[in-house]
Amino acid sequence: TQLLEQSPQFLSIQEGENLTVYCNSSSVFSSLQWYRQEPGEGPVLLVTVVTGGEVKKLKRLTFQFGDARKDSSLHITAAQPGDTGLYLCAAPPGRSNYQLIWGAGTKLIIKP
Amino acid sequence: NAGVTQTPKFRILKIGQSMTLQCTQDMNHNYMYWYRQDPGMGLKLIYYSVGAGITDKGEVPNGYNVSRSTTEDFPLRLELAAPSQTSVYFCASSTTLQAGSPLHFGNGTRLTVT
Repeated sequence: TQLLEQSPQFLSIQEGENLTVYCNSSSVFSSLQWYRQEPGEGPVLLVTVVTGGEVKKLKRLTFQFGDARKDSSLHITAAQPGDTGLYLCAAPPGRSNYQLIWGAGTKLIIKP
Repeated sequence: NAGVTQTPKFRILKIGQSMTLQCTQDMNHNYMYWYRQDPGMGLKLIYYSVGAGITDKGEVPNGYNVSRSTTEDFPLRLELAAPSQTSVYFCASSTTLQAGSPLHFGNGTRLTVT
């Protein structure tokens, strides 16, 4: 069974700090997505990474896809309260063209 | 921009009751999906549809049914509610079926079965 393991499960830090969350697997993926979900809402896509070693930046958020395409990280610089939310990673298993497997998420709280 | 709209937002059912979760999208997306989200677990795909009149099972279809009579609407039916169906349900749509294309989610329906 292919799994996406996210760590940490929960992170609470002060505004202005930096943080990194991880999405790891033993499987190789053709691509990987990161979503952010706020309470009472559905997930919203932040980024899709496709190439091993790829780095994408979205303002203060930096996403990296591992060289072997088995893992990914999300780094937030100078976190702000607006970054609070559940961060989910998702990736397509090799045999399926439609179904994504999802990590359980990292719940991030940024305290002002 | 309405996007994907789900109703109701909350619902409490008794064991054995039935209900339909409504989902409609105004983006003219052919592909639509139903997911459930349980605490500490990743999203699980219940059913998906590649267009009007075409549906197929996902990872956890038991206890659910769907229909797709129009491009816009993709309702999810629970026939005999069970406590194991207590969850938050999300409808999503996308422009292509290709995994890796972005999913557009509704805001969910929180269902409790007691």
